[in-house]
Amino acid sequence: DAGVIQSPRHEVTEMGQEVTLRCKLISGHNSLFWYRQTMMRGLELLIYFNNNVPIDDSGMPEDRFSAKMPNASFSTLKIQPSEPRDSAVYFCATQLAGGPESYNEQFFGPGTRLTVL
Amino acid sequence: QKEVEQNSGPLSVPEGAIASLNCTYSDRVSQSFFWYRQYSGKSPELIMSIYSNGDKEDGRFTAQLNKASQYVSLLIRDSQPSDSATYLCAVGYTGGFKTIFGAGTRLFVKA
Repeated sequence: DAGVIQSPRHEVTEMGQEVTLRCKLISGHNSLFWYRQTMMRGLELLIYFNNNVPIDDSGMPEDRFSAKMPNASFSTLKIQPSEPRDSAVYFCATQLAGGPESYNEQFFGPGTRLTVL
Repeated sequence: QKEVEQNSGPLSVPEGAIASLNCTYSDRVSQSFFWYRQYSGKSPELIMSIYSNGDKEDGRFTAQLNKASQYVSLLIRDSQPSDSATYLCAVGYTGGFKTIFGAGTRLFVKA
């Protein structure tokens, strides 16, 4: 089975531009998490979905950030307009939640390295 | 107070030694505990899960959980240079969704 797929792997853009990051879930998983990682702040949870429904978006830093999950296998994270301080590695992770303990295990995608100039 | 705390390191051990990584958590309701390994420039990779008090062994890795002390650790026996990475401790809730990650401990294994 394919793992979590993210695209693009690298994105360089200029301040003010719109950025869209994409994530494809592992087949059969029902929860999707978006994280941001920087040296200064570590791994931060931005938002997570369960069965396509956003459960908690309290980690989204500003209104410039938005996330959608239009179907059970795909999600997008959009930043509009982007700023240099958004530069980070963005990971999505998936899990099969709501079941026995082992289903809390999260599996990460390879990440998107975003640089905003 | 951070919910999951780890010593940021770096922790340096010689090849062949035992590396001991520690983690404390603040929420007594926590029930699922994980260790992730992250190589530089890569994504976190799950290496151990533990759910009940005591030890769980998998190859050279042993996870230890003490819920009374709100403490979880990871022992790496016969450490190898390839074990050099950042190790993230994570805490979750059975049947729930959210997992809280620590900031990670950097481990260097010297050849």
